[in-house]
Amino acid sequence: QVQLVQSGAEVKKPGASVKVSCKASGYTFGNYYIYWVRQAPGQGLEWMGVINPSGGSATYAQKFQGSVTMTRDTSTSTVHMELSSLRPEDTAVYYCAKGGAPYYDFGNWFDPWGQGTLVTVSS
Amino acid sequence: DIQMTQSPSSLSAFVGDRVTITCRASQSISSYLNWYQQKPGKAPKLLIYAASTLQSGVPSRFSGSESGTDFTLTISSLQPEDFATYYCQQSYSTPPTFGPGTKVDI
Repeated sequence: QVQLVQSGAEVKKPGASVKVSCKASGYTFGNYYIYWVRQAPGQGLEWMGVINPSGGSATYAQKFQGSVTMTRDTSTSTVHMELSSLRPEDTAVYYCAKGGAPYYDFGNWFDPWGQGTLVTVSS
Repeated sequence: DIQMTQSPSSLSAFVGDRVTITCRASQSISSYLNWYQQKPGKAPKLLIYAASTLQSGVPSRFSGSESGTDFTLTISSLQPEDFATYYCQQSYSTPPTFGPGTKVDI
C-alpha cells in the first residue's frame, strides 16, 4: 500500500538546522509531487512547499524562502526537508504528503500523509 | 494568498445527527477544494477532493458540495469515529491554504 514514513522526533537549539526525511513506498516515486505541511501545537495547517521527485525542482512558501530546502534521493525514494535558523516558533509537527494525482502540482490534493515528525526548538 | 474561512469553529453533536460545515474562499477557486479529517495526535486524512469527489475508502455518509465560493461538508449521520477536526484546503493557487478548522465533539 502507499505509505510515507517520516524520521523521528528532533530537539534542536535556536539557530540550528533540522533535516526531516520522508520515505515513500507502494507507488512510482517520480510520478507524484511531495508536499510539506507543518502544524504548530494546537494550531492549524501551514503549507511549506512542494518538490517534484522526478526532476528535483522545488517551490517554497514565501515565508520559508531562504530557510527551507527540499531535496530528494531517487535511489531510496526519500524526500528531505531541511529547515535552518530555527526559532522557538518553528516548534511544530512537520508532515510530508503525496499529491493525489500524478504528474502535476496544480489543483492537487494531499493523500496520504506521513505520520508526522515533531521538531522542538528550545534552548 | 487566498484566505479560507470555516464556520462554525466548533460544534457539539450527537451520534446520528446530520452535521454541516461550511468553508468560504476569499475569491473564486473553481472546484479546487479539498476536505480533511484530523484526529488528535494523528495526521490529516483526505475525505473529499475537487469539492465533491469522495476519496476511496471514505464512508458514503460524507459528502461535499459547492455554491460559488462557498463549500459544504456534510456528515449525514454522525458516528462515534467522526469526532475530529475538519479542515478545508484550496488547491487553486499557490500557496495552497487551509481553513482554520472545525472541531466536532460530543
